[in-house]
Amino acid sequence: GQNIDQPTEMTATEGAIVQINCTYQTSGFNGLFWYQQHAGEAPTFLSYNVLDGLEEKGRFSSFLSRSKGYSYLLLKELQMKDSASYLCAVRDRSGAGNNRKLIWGLGTSLAVNP
Amino acid sequence: DVKVTQSSRYLVKRTGEKVFLECVQDMDHENMFWYRQDPGLGLRLIYFSYDVKMKEKGDIPEGYSVSREKKERFSLILESASTNQTSMYLCASTPRVGGRNTQYFGPGTRLTVL
Repeated sequence: GQNIDQPTEMTATEGAIVQINCTYQTSGFNGLFWYQQHAGEAPTFLSYNVLDGLEEKGRFSSFLSRSKGYSYLLLKELQMKDSASYLCAVRDRSGAGNNRKLIWGLGTSLAVNP
Repeated sequence: DVKVTQSSRYLVKRTGEKVFLECVQDMDHENMFWYRQDPGLGLRLIYFSYDVKMKEKGDIPEGYSVSREKKERFSLILESASTNQTSMYLCASTPRVGGRNTQYFGPGTRLTVL
């Protein structure tokens, strides 16, 4: 079957580093996305991984290991505005949807404290 | 920048009413999606469309229908609204299948059915 797991909640301190993990099970993996969603707003794209390794974009980095079905989002130099929900989503080329649909995790709610 | 707009940010309807939620994207995207998002349940796909007049059921299509008469517009219809359809509704679009083509979201419509 298809499944994505990520922690429900995390807390961190302003200026610190936090790592949000995501594990997935799919039969036709074809890319993993991370989105940020502030309360009451729509998700916005953060990062994309399809090959193993680390993708860095400013304060945010995302890592993928396809053999382990594992990804993480790393946030450095945390700021108060980083308090949001972080959604992990996987594109699966198998089954209905033919590579168009994303399978979504439930999101990790990150609280950044001063 | 890609722009996805939704007809209303907030909507209040009564049980049994027919409800139309409209979504428009201005970037000639092929694929459009309707999700609902509820606390603890995450993003759930209702319907998606990969071309004009083409539609496919998502994970929770019951009680909903869709219409895509023009490429830029994707409408979600609640034939007879019920209280369990109170939710945040999010529309998204993506240009093509595959690659790092992310889904771009509209601002969402918070629907309350009384």
